[in-house]
Amino acid sequence: GAGVSQSPSNKVTEKGKDVELRCDPISGHTALYWYRQSLGQGLEFLIYFQGNSAPDKSGLPSDRFSAERTGGSVSTLTIQRTQQEDSAVYLCASSLMPGLQETQYFGPGTRLLVL
Amino acid sequence: AQSVTQLGSHVSVSEGALVLLRCNYSSSVPPYLFWYVQYPNQGLQLLLKYTSAATLVKGINGFEAEFKKSETSFHLTKPSAHMSDAAEYFCAVSLQGAQKLVFGQGTRLTINP
Repeated sequence: GAGVSQSPSNKVTEKGKDVELRCDPISGHTALYWYRQSLGQGLEFLIYFQGNSAPDKSGLPSDRFSAERTGGSVSTLTIQRTQQEDSAVYLCASSLMPGLQETQYFGPGTRLLVL
Repeated sequence: AQSVTQLGSHVSVSEGALVLLRCNYSSSVPPYLFWYVQYPNQGLQLLLKYTSAATLVKGINGFEAEFKKSETSFHLTKPSAHMSDAAEYFCAVSLQGAQKLVFGQGTRLTINP
């Protein structure tokens, strides 16, 4: 079946602009995660959604970052007033259900470059 | 706090040689451990995971890993390297109390012909 998809695959933007990154999880998966992969920081957790529960936003680096998940499916990560340090690959993952031993399936990522 | 340490940011082996990628974890309770592989310009793909059912875990592409509680290790091995194994490998642990993975810094594996 179809895996996790993300769009766009690449995004170049100017410092100060807002960007939206989209994630389509695997159909039927209830849990959705966003991670960021950068040269200096490695792979970092950003945010987690599960059903109608309040999201775990503990990994968001600043209030310029926000995310939502509509209808328990598609998720959008928004970065306002982008900075050069936001340049990274943003990875989305989903799992069938929540749980520490559940496999997270990753999308191909969105490569963001802030000039 | 739980964390993982991958020893060696870059490992190079000859085709046909043993692959050994090291991962150590710090955890006050038995963890769930994962190995993921990332090929260039792709997302992460699960190789295998330890969920306490068996200490020796077999994964895809001939990889396996052994959970050793006494050494707090979960090293990844493959008896005979193939050129297609060239990629970056990440060890990760599920974080108790939160639904997220904590990743090691990654090990880039190069295969020499």
